[in-house]
Amino acid sequence: NAGVTQTPKFQVLKTGQSMTLQCAQDMNHEYMSWYRQDPGMGLRLIHYSVGAGITDQGEVPNGYNVSRSTTEDFPLRLLSAAPSQTSVYFCASSLAGGQPQHFGDGTRLSIL
Amino acid sequence: GQQLNQSPQSMFIQEGEDVSMNCTSSSIFNTWLWYKQDPGEGPVLLIALYKAGELTSNGRLTAQFGITRKDSFLNISASIPSDVGIYFCAGQLTSGTYKYIFGTGTRLKVLA
Repeated sequence: NAGVTQTPKFQVLKTGQSMTLQCAQDMNHEYMSWYRQDPGMGLRLIHYSVGAGITDQGEVPNGYNVSRSTTEDFPLRLLSAAPSQTSVYFCASSLAGGQPQHFGDGTRLSIL
Repeated sequence: GQQLNQSPQSMFIQEGEDVSMNCTSSSIFNTWLWYKQDPGEGPVLLIALYKAGELTSNGRLTAQFGITRKDSFLNISASIPSDVGIYFCAGQLTSGTYKYIFGTGTRLKVLA
């Protein structure tokens, strides 16, 4: 049972480039979410989804897009990368209730 | 935005000692969660609390939902080296929403 799988684990981008961070879960969880973790700060919610076809904004959504076409996958897109988006990104899922229950191991993203 | 204050920020303890940490806010929360994060990994959910005054244990870990609903506490008894890591609290501000706010973490180091 893989749980929550995030790819890639590491990525370096140049300012202005776009990319998609992948998140997949094999637990049939309805709720999925994306967080970013910066030094000295707690995890901050970017976007979340309560089921296929349904997404909503979190605390820091600007510069990011999401979609949820299947229950399993919840990709996060950076439209035009900026140095301020350098961070560690975590995807989480849960069966119900919304509380982030299972986290992936993160994607470490650097924007030059 | 909303913030959760965790204290202490970091602590060194001797193996076998008990550990206490807390999480406070100026706002009332409906749910409190406690996580542990090891280096290079995502947070792992340890304990979830759902009502004021609730006391819940998970092995050597015990957490309490504060009576005022503005704070929560985590205790670790008889610490061992594998307790090393960062402990995060998270709270749900509004019941029925899917937005959780994370604290900045308490870094625990155990001296053998």
